[in-house]
Amino acid sequence: AQTVTQSQPEMSVQEAETVTLSCTYDTSESDYYLFWYKQPPSRQMILVIRQEAYKQQNATENRFSVNFQKAAKSFSLKISDSQLGDAAMYFCAYRSSRTYKYIFGTGTRLKVLA
Amino acid sequence: GAVVSQHPSRVICKSGTSVKIECRSLDFQATTMFWYRQFPKKSLMLMATSNEGSKATYEQGVEKDKFLINHASLTLSTLTVTSAHPEDSSFYICSAATRDRTYEQYFGPGTRLTVT
Repeated sequence: AQTVTQSQPEMSVQEAETVTLSCTYDTSESDYYLFWYKQPPSRQMILVIRQEAYKQQNATENRFSVNFQKAAKSFSLKISDSQLGDAAMYFCAYRSSRTYKYIFGTGTRLKVLA
Repeated sequence: GAVVSQHPSRVICKSGTSVKIECRSLDFQATTMFWYRQFPKKSLMLMATSNEGSKATYEQGVEKDKFLINHASLTLSTLTVTSAHPEDSSFYICSAATRDRTYEQYFGPGTRLTVT
């Protein structure tokens, strides 16, 4: 069975600084997707970034980028130039290409300090 | 595009009654919908997967007779919590996916259920 681990329950970052959120996963599948979702206080899940496992190039979306290490089964999220609006819970998620189910990590609460 | 709505956003019901939560894909046809439950400060736990026109597949430990799921059309799935008890109080989130969008899930805004 696949598992997703987020070892940082909470992280803090100064506004305009850079922070990296960690995520590791375990799977025996070779084809899968990985996601980072943001959940602000409104509880709406917002897609931050996605990565297809077959792509070696790390995904980037503006200030958000990932460090995808397939062999190490690691998928960290880097947020550059942190903004107050980035404060939220961040969930790492794994999606099986076989079942299409998402498996979520336990989440990391990010605080942005002014 | 890819907007998913849920109704109601909040509901309070008395113990022993049933409550229905609707999940709609507004601008695409969802062949598959997922229902999650989220406890305070916890992650999302998948309850069941429903495909249009067929019975839902429930995750281990989820009572199918208590959490009735119907996916009657390509844009609507419903979750009915039957004979609700206070321990059913939680935040319920649905998501919708379709083959045309590589089964990526689009999430609704969630429904907070409080059973008194």
